[in-house]
Amino acid sequence: DGGITQSPKYLFRKEGQNVTLSCEQNLNHDAMYWYRQDPGQGLRLIYYSQIVNDFQKGDIAEGYSVSREKKESFPLTVTSAQKNPTAFYLCASSYSPGTSHEQYFGPGTRLTVT
Amino acid sequence: QQQVKQSPQSLIVQKGGISIINCAYENTAFDYFPWYQQFPGKGPALLIAIRPDVSEKKEGRFTISFNKSAKQFSLHIMDSQPGDSATYFCAARPSGNTPLVFGKGTRLSVIA
Repeated sequence: DGGITQSPKYLFRKEGQNVTLSCEQNLNHDAMYWYRQDPGQGLRLIYYSQIVNDFQKGDIAEGYSVSREKKESFPLTVTSAQKNPTAFYLCASSYSPGTSHEQYFGPGTRLTVT
Repeated sequence: QQQVKQSPQSLIVQKGGISIINCAYENTAFDYFPWYQQFPGKGPALLIAIRPDVSEKKEGRFTISFNKSAKQFSLHIMDSQPGDSATYFCAARPSGNTPLVFGKGTRLSVIA
């Protein structure tokens, strides 16, 4: 069953704690992305990676960190430096531009920090 | 700055009517224009996409119209159904190795 999986679906943390969100894909996609979505808001790019061991900051990278040690996996860490971490986090993946432009999203993780 | 401007922010359509969502862009280097559909609590799903060498693409009740000279593209949903009620996002990909640029979304409500 191919696709993008994000776990867990819901995550609760206390303020001041770092938390890592999982994203795995078995689509053999080269590029992976993390977006943040707030209620009634659009999709804001946090980080993206086009190849293993390389990643780029998106529009709102402050307070977040990522790693890309395997092609299939792109975990996102929300650090205590992120001022408003409560949001819906979406992972996505695609082939590298030039082959196919189609980008697919995972089901999302809703993070609540209190 | 690369932007895609989407309108309206919200839309209410009667069942059976036509829903129209518009997007405009300024960067002529965009070379791929997808639309995504998102239901509450779910990830966006790729709905339909078009490239700038085509003026229209139709898939079932969903049609993208693309006007290259005006730098505008729109999504038309024919015979809108309550099950189409969702948030729709337009996007554009700059040529080269950069991510999609998204519009801010349109919340569509189809009422019976």
